[in-house]
Amino acid sequence: DAGITQSPRYKITETGRQVTLMCHQTWSHSYMFWYRQDLGHGLRLIYYSAAADITDKGEVPDGYVVSRSKTENFPLTLESATRSQTSVYFCASSDRGRITGELFFGEGSRLTVL
Amino acid sequence: AQSVTQLGSHVSVSEGALVLLRCNYSSSVPPYLFWYVQYPNQGLQLLLKYTTGATLVKGINGFEAEFKKSETSFHLTKPSAHMSDAAEYFCAVSENFNKFYFGSGTKLNVKP
Repeated sequence: DAGITQSPRYKITETGRQVTLMCHQTWSHSYMFWYRQDLGHGLRLIYYSAAADITDKGEVPDGYVVSRSKTENFPLTLESATRSQTSVYFCASSDRGRITGELFFGEGSRLTVL
Repeated sequence: AQSVTQLGSHVSVSEGALVLLRCNYSSSVPPYLFWYVQYPNQGLQLLLKYTTGATLVKGINGFEAEFKKSETSFHLTKPSAHMSDAAEYFCAVSENFNKFYFGSGTKLNVKP
């Protein structure tokens, strides 16, 4: 039972570079989410996806791009990284209440932008 | 719009003491409510959830929470803290399972 996996777990990059964080889930959950976690802010929703080829903005989408060509993958791209995007990023999936109604989280990707 | 407020970014209790972590929410419709726990360098794990039915819900590790609609609250409690409960706890709300909104988190410290 692989669950939901994120890669890389740790990444250091420089301002202006493009970075892609990968997320893969094995449950065939329809919904997938990207959150960022920052001290004092908890988790804030960046983007979410209801199904393949359907994505929508969350609370803090600026500077991020997502795609979902396959149900199991939901990559997050920072097209031109900025220092303010230094954060821990969590991918999550959900069956939207059909069975459990909860979010299942990956272990996170810690991104540092220098 | 939904929002979640967790009072107290840090809570410290002695081992064996009552744990009370507060969560208030705002929602235009009856919400679904969740508590998650995060241990260092890990993702979040579900502790418990309220969707429908009984307003007092029990979760893992002896935690429970009560949904009080009149107070728009969903406080998390545990009668007797254990050292292993030290972690960060997040309250979350969702109206229809398509978006989940989280509070800013409460770090629980358990003193021996």
